[in-house]
Amino acid sequence: AQSVAQPEDQVNVAEGNPLTVKCTYSVSGNPYLFWYVQYPNRGLQFLLKYITGDNLVKGSYGFEAEFNKSQTSFHLKKPSALVSDSALYFCAVRGPQGYGQNFVFGPGTRLSVLP
Amino acid sequence: GAVVSQHPSRVICKSGTSVKIECRSLDFQATTMFWYRQFPKKSLMLMATSNEGSKATYEQGVEKDKFLINHASLTLSTLTVTSAHPEDSSFYICSAFPVGAKNIQYFGAGTRLSVL
Repeated sequence: AQSVAQPEDQVNVAEGNPLTVKCTYSVSGNPYLFWYVQYPNRGLQFLLKYITGDNLVKGSYGFEAEFNKSQTSFHLKKPSALVSDSALYFCAVRGPQGYGQNFVFGPGTRLSVLP
Repeated sequence: GAVVSQHPSRVICKSGTSVKIECRSLDFQATTMFWYRQFPKKSLMLMATSNEGSKATYEQGVEKDKFLINHASLTLSTLTVTSAHPEDSSFYICSAFPVGAKNIQYFGAGTRLSVL
């Protein structure tokens, strides 16, 4: 079965500093990995995905994530945080089992960027 | 980017009544839509997979007769919470996969249901 862990409920970072939101996963076979962001009372917005290829994936709003197969991790990073990045971040995994396969979401990490 | 419209954004109803939530893909067709439920400070819990032209597939523990799903067209899926109770109060989110897209799903803005 697929599973996703986000070990930190909350991450606080000062504006301008680099940020990291951690994610580890468990899946049979090669994983399809995703990051989504959710603002209050809103649906999820897609940030980036890893399917294959380069381990460093670049996405929306200056975010990037590094796929590490040996550590089964897919940490989200940004070199310089903005106050507007404050939101709830979800890591998700999908097994490579075809079209429309269900995504499994992690519990979420609340990011607070302090001015 | 692709847009998924979810309506209403917020609904308050009395216990025992039914509530319908619509999920529309505005600029693409979707044969598959998902319905999620999100509890406060919790992650998304998949309730069911809505398939155009066929019956929905429900996750274990989700009551089919309580959460009725209809996927009448390639752009519309509806979730009806029947005989709502206060414990059904939650944030419901839909998502849709564009036809032919395997790895990107687009989410609606969610519906906050409050049952009094």
